[in-house]
Amino acid sequence: AQSVTQLGSHVSVSEGALVLLRCNYSSSVPPYLFWYVQYPNQGLQLLLKYTSAATLVKGINGFEAEFKKSETSFHLTKPSAHMSDAAEYFCAVSKPPGNQFYFGTGTSLTVIP
Amino acid sequence: GAGVSQTPSNKVTEKGKYVELRCDPISGHTALYWYRQSLGQGPEFLIYFQGTGAADDSGLPNDRFFAVRPEGSVSTLKIQRTERGDSAVYLCASSSGTRKIDEQFFGPGTRLTVL
Repeated sequence: AQSVTQLGSHVSVSEGALVLLRCNYSSSVPPYLFWYVQYPNQGLQLLLKYTSAATLVKGINGFEAEFKKSETSFHLTKPSAHMSDAAEYFCAVSKPPGNQFYFGTGTSLTVIP
Repeated sequence: GAGVSQTPSNKVTEKGKYVELRCDPISGHTALYWYRQSLGQGPEFLIYFQGTGAADDSGLPNDRFFAVRPEGSVSTLKIQRTERGDSAVYLCASSSGTRKIDEQFFGPGTRLTVL
């Protein structure tokens, strides 16, 4: 079975500070992992995805995530937060062969000026 | 169209009524997914289509929920005898269906409120 756990439903950081959003997965097969962002009143947008080609994955808007098999983690980071990063972030694992997603409960990121 | 579209954007209905929610996927996408997002939660998988057939409907909560995709493009999610617990945002996503690992493109969702 596939599932993800996002630790911390709310995270606040100061503008310019490091962003760290946590995601741990459980998968019976090698996982495909994704991070999506949801801005207020908008649809989900893909930030990045892990496809086993490289453990460090770079995404849009300066975000990146590192796949750590030993820790079953896929944490999302950004070196310097911008006000525009304030949004809801979802980690997801896909289930082959159909690739339907199983999402975490989400982390709401607040950026303090 | 340029992206996944869903209609209506908002639907208010009374308990016990029947509702239909529509999804127009990106043109040419063979895979289509329905998810439900309750307040404060992540999207929850409902059903997945590959072409016209439902390849996996294991996420449908009960037999009041049904979805179709008769021509392999537009899909309709149907909910019979709605209950207040069905209130949520219903999301549709599509992907090309041709690659092993496929990005899903999400629509803006339909917010369903059951009074």
